[in-house]
Amino acid sequence: QSALTQPASVSGSPGQSITISCTGTSSDVGGYNYVSWYQQHPGKAPKLLIYVVTNRPSGVSDRFSGSKSGNTASLTISGLQAEDEADYYCSSYTGSSTRYVFGTGTKVTVL
Amino acid sequence: EVQLVESGGGLVQPGGSLRLSCAASGFTFSSYNMNWVRQAPGKGLELVSYISSSSSTIQYADSVKGRFTITRDNAKNSLSLQMSSLRAEDTAVYYCGREPPIAVAVDYWGQGTLVTVSS
Repeated sequence: QSALTQPASVSGSPGQSITISCTGTSSDVGGYNYVSWYQQHPGKAPKLLIYVVTNRPSGVSDRFSGSKSGNTASLTISGLQAEDEADYYCSSYTGSSTRYVFGTGTKVTVL
Repeated sequence: EVQLVESGGGLVQPGGSLRLSCAASGFTFSSYNMNWVRQAPGKGLELVSYISSSSSTIQYADSVKGRFTITRDNAKNSLSLQMSSLRAEDTAVYYCGREPPIAVAVDYWGQGTLVTVSS
């Protein structure tokens, strides 16, 4: 199972909105609604931001939102803040023996 | 408060073995599926292994199949990963993660334990 494809980097100015894409296939992103997004700051464990495409765990800012269309899922960060500078990973259930696969990761830079 | 604490990492020679442990607290461990996820230095995340709450379903990444074994002890609230025939490419931070019943995701992560495979 190949990793999902994400842009290597995305940048934006404080207050702006940015969107990170996560492209898979009909065997993963397109076939199931088990798409999740994670934020990871350097040297820290990942943090769950979005699960089941659009749901936010308790305590996660509503500036983070998720969506999906076909084989591509997206994470939008609105009102970009300095603390949003981090690496972001998507993941999707695959229905195969490997269970789920992560994306290649996107580094978000706040200009 | 949910806590996952990994231990057992360290330096091991190629071909060697290591056993990682994850101590869980703050939730009903026996009700949750669990995962091991790793991250090689400067690289992305990779699901290594999954075990269902009752141990009835176990899955592995192709890269570790036949070399790693995941187990859990619900009476002791613990998760383990026995790693053998270790290779340089197994060098990574290994995270223990809890999977919520409503999603195929990891909602709580441990702090990670570093495994270095080198001669």
